[in-house]
Amino acid sequence: KAGVTQTPRYLIKTRGQQVTLSCSPISGHRSVSWYQQTPGQGLQFLFEYFSETQRNKGNFPGRFSGRQFSNSRSEMNVSTLELGDSALYLCASSLGEGYNEQFFGPGTRLTVL
Amino acid sequence: AQKVTQAQTEISVVEKEDVTLDCVYETRDTTYYLFWYKQPPSGELVFLIRRNSFDEQNEISGRYSWNFQKSTSSFNFTITASQVVDSAVYFCALREVGGSEKLVFGKGTKLTVNP
Repeated sequence: KAGVTQTPRYLIKTRGQQVTLSCSPISGHRSVSWYQQTPGQGLQFLFEYFSETQRNKGNFPGRFSGRQFSNSRSEMNVSTLELGDSALYLCASSLGEGYNEQFFGPGTRLTVL
Repeated sequence: AQKVTQAQTEISVVEKEDVTLDCVYETRDTTYYLFWYKQPPSGELVFLIRRNSFDEQNEISGRYSWNFQKSTSSFNFTITASQVVDSAVYFCALREVGGSEKLVFGKGTKLTVNP
């Protein structure tokens, strides 16, 4: 079974630009969650999508948004990039029943210059 | 509010030593799940174990063992006879039951196993 895939793996952007990251979950998984990992704040929950609906959202500004498609693939978008948005963005998928483990993708390393 | 504390920021051991990684959590819920993940230098988080709040049995998987104590809100992880390949950052995480997959992570413990 293929694991969680994320594209692109590396991205360099400049302040003010916007970026879209993509995540393909494990086949059969309906939940996709996004996390931001930085050296200072650690791993922080961004949002979760389940069956195309946002089920939970972390404490991030509105510049961070996401969506999920009918095939469970998910995208997250960050508009008006700031230097502090430089981070590893991790996507995780699970069956979504509340007690399952999440499986993580390799992440997208975003650098904002 | 949910909180996970991993007080050990970095640990360094010599190969074949046993090492215990501490995890203390806070939650108001009576039903919750605890997880451990490993993050090698490649960056991908690797799932190690899930434990629900009603199951306090310790678990052993090869050289790995976990000690869950509800009375002290701790879920510690021990690696026996450590190996260089165990070098990674280890994260403890908490999920409250409530219709979401959200995980609250600790800050992680960086383990270095020296040959």
